[in-house]
Amino acid sequence: EAQVTQNPRYLITVTGKKLTVTCSQNMNHEYMSWYRQDPGLGLRQIYYSMNVEVTDKGDVPEGYKVSRKEKRNFPLILESPSPNQTSLYFCASSLNAAFGDIQYFGAGTRLSVL
Amino acid sequence: ELKVEQNPLFLSMQEGKNYTIYCNYSTTSDRLYWYRQDPGKSLESLFVLLSNGAVKQEGRLMASLDTKARLSTLHITAAVHDLSATYFCAVDQDSNYQLIWGAGTKLIIKP
Repeated sequence: EAQVTQNPRYLITVTGKKLTVTCSQNMNHEYMSWYRQDPGLGLRQIYYSMNVEVTDKGDVPEGYKVSRKEKRNFPLILESPSPNQTSLYFCASSLNAAFGDIQYFGAGTRLSVL
Repeated sequence: ELKVEQNPLFLSMQEGKNYTIYCNYSTTSDRLYWYRQDPGKSLESLFVLLSNGAVKQEGRLMASLDTKARLSTLHITAAVHDLSATYFCAVDQDSNYQLIWGAGTKLIIKP
């Protein structure tokens, strides 16, 4: 089954404790992206990757890191989480961004930073 | 800076009625996407609009794009309860999937 898998689904942590949210897709998609969703703000793009070893900042990259060492995985790293990073996070993938192929979303990770 | 505005942000309507959600954006773009999100769920792609005048239809939903007016519409025909959800439009700034999203329209359809 084609899917985008995020882990964990729920995470409660404390300020400053490094964490990683994993994202994996099994569709051989070139494009992957991370978003955060906050009430009333829609989604905001954090980072995106057009292919392996190619990543770029979205609109709200501060406080986040990503890597794309293999095509299927695109982890989101919070080196020193802060309470303003409490949010719902989605990973998404698409076959080819240049052609406007549809994006598939993971189930989401709800993060609380205390 | 690209801004995307949806209206209305909240819409409550009766089954069987027609309505339209509007998505306006502030700079030129010829790529626009519509998504649906059910409460507590992930997002599902509805439509991809890639050129001026593009029109896509799926069931009771029809989306269109007017790049000159910088406007996309999502039209709901004879609404049914199952269409209750939040609908988002997203605009691609540079045709590389760097998306700017509207705030979403929460649609409630009452039986």
